[in-house]
Amino acid sequence: GQQLNQSPQSMFIQEGEDVSMNCTSSSIFNTWLWYKQDPGEGPVLLIALYKAGELTSNGRLTAQFGITRKDSFLNISASIPSDVGIYFCAGQLGAQKLVFGQGTRLTINP
Amino acid sequence: NAGVTQTPKFRILKIGQSMTLQCAQDMNHNYMYWYRQDPGMGLKLIYYSVGAGITDKGEVPNGYNVSRSTTEDFPLRLELAAPSQTSVYFCATSGRGGSNQPQHFGDGTRLSIL
Repeated sequence: GQQLNQSPQSMFIQEGEDVSMNCTSSSIFNTWLWYKQDPGEGPVLLIALYKAGELTSNGRLTAQFGITRKDSFLNISASIPSDVGIYFCAGQLGAQKLVFGQGTRLTINP
Repeated sequence: NAGVTQTPKFRILKIGQSMTLQCAQDMNHNYMYWYRQDPGMGLKLIYYSVGAGITDKGEVPNGYNVSRSTTEDFPLRLELAAPSQTSVYFCATSGRGGSNQPQHFGDGTRLSIL
């Protein structure tokens, strides 16, 4: 089946630093999504990308849909403690099915 | 705003037992999905439904069954629980209007099979 390669698997940063993570795939997706998951909860949508090349921001978060439609990145600027969690990229197929990356676990040292 | 409600939140089963995981939504969304998340991994699609009366297999359907008799409910059934089905199960929904509708997730059901 289709797979997304998400990197890095984990990050340990200082509060205030910027963060960058990305996803790549051998397959083309129509939509790229970025979710955040806190312990004991379901994933929460952060940003949705619908067009190749699209760059979208949501507060301190910025994400881009790669031109080839096979990759995406997520940047977080000026990290704060509540940014801690696991970030997942997901590519959307027909019938709105999602394929998820393995996740990036973000830890922030105060 | 209830959104997507999953019950129970936790359950422990013995090998061979059966149970039904419930998922209910109040957003009038057509599309509903069941995923499982194993430790340290992303979510994998088990089954999905594009509307009442219509269901289809996802990536990992073996050992599970679903039904969709109403728009609001999409239960997931395990007939003969196996240790490999120990996981966290998430239900998700997305709205009408074509393929560009993001999925919204419930808080999950944590299932252990011993």
